[in-house]
Amino acid sequence: KAGVTQTPRYLIKTRGQQVTLSCSPISGHRSVSWYQQTPGQGLQFLFEYFSETQRNKGNFPGRFSGRQFSNSRSEMNVSTLGLGDSALYLCASSSTGGAYEQYFGPGTRLTVT
Amino acid sequence: AQSVTQLGSHVSVSEGALVLLRCNYSSSVPPYLFWYVQYPNQGLQLLLKYTSAATLVKGINGFEAEFKKSETSFHLTKPSAHMSDAAEYFCAVIRSSGNTPLVFGKGTRLSVIA
Repeated sequence: KAGVTQTPRYLIKTRGQQVTLSCSPISGHRSVSWYQQTPGQGLQFLFEYFSETQRNKGNFPGRFSGRQFSNSRSEMNVSTLGLGDSALYLCASSSTGGAYEQYFGPGTRLTVT
Repeated sequence: AQSVTQLGSHVSVSEGALVLLRCNYSSSVPPYLFWYVQYPNQGLQLLLKYTSAATLVKGINGFEAEFKKSETSFHLTKPSAHMSDAAEYFCAVIRSSGNTPLVFGKGTRLSVIA
């Protein structure tokens, strides 16, 4: 079974721009979660989608949004980028989410200049 | 609310020595607990999980952890460290009921000295 894939792996953007990151879960998994990882704040939960519906949301501003498609692939979008948005963005999939173990992708490294 | 505290942001051990990474949790309901490992420039890999079955949980790569309710702890151990164990380790907690997200600790970086 193929693992979780994330594209692109690396991205450089300028302040004020917007960015879209993509995540393809493991085949058959219906839950996709997104996390932001920074040296200062560690791993922080952004949101979770299950069957195209946002089921949980972390404490991030509205500039951070996401969606999930009928094939369970997910995208997250960040608008009006700031220097503080530079981070590793990780996607994780699980069969039903919640207590079931999550499988992580390699992440997208976003650098904002 | 659930939370985890990992004691020690950096732990250094000699090759062949015991590895002990500490994790204490706080949870208002019975928790499920996880240890993940992250190698440089990679995502997180599940090492082991506690889901209310056996309190001593064995994982991959020779790691194990023991759930101690009285101490609210879930420490990760490995009898003999290998150079390839050098990585960042994260403890995480989740409610055992309902669909809530994982809550991670700040992580512990493990260095292994030859």
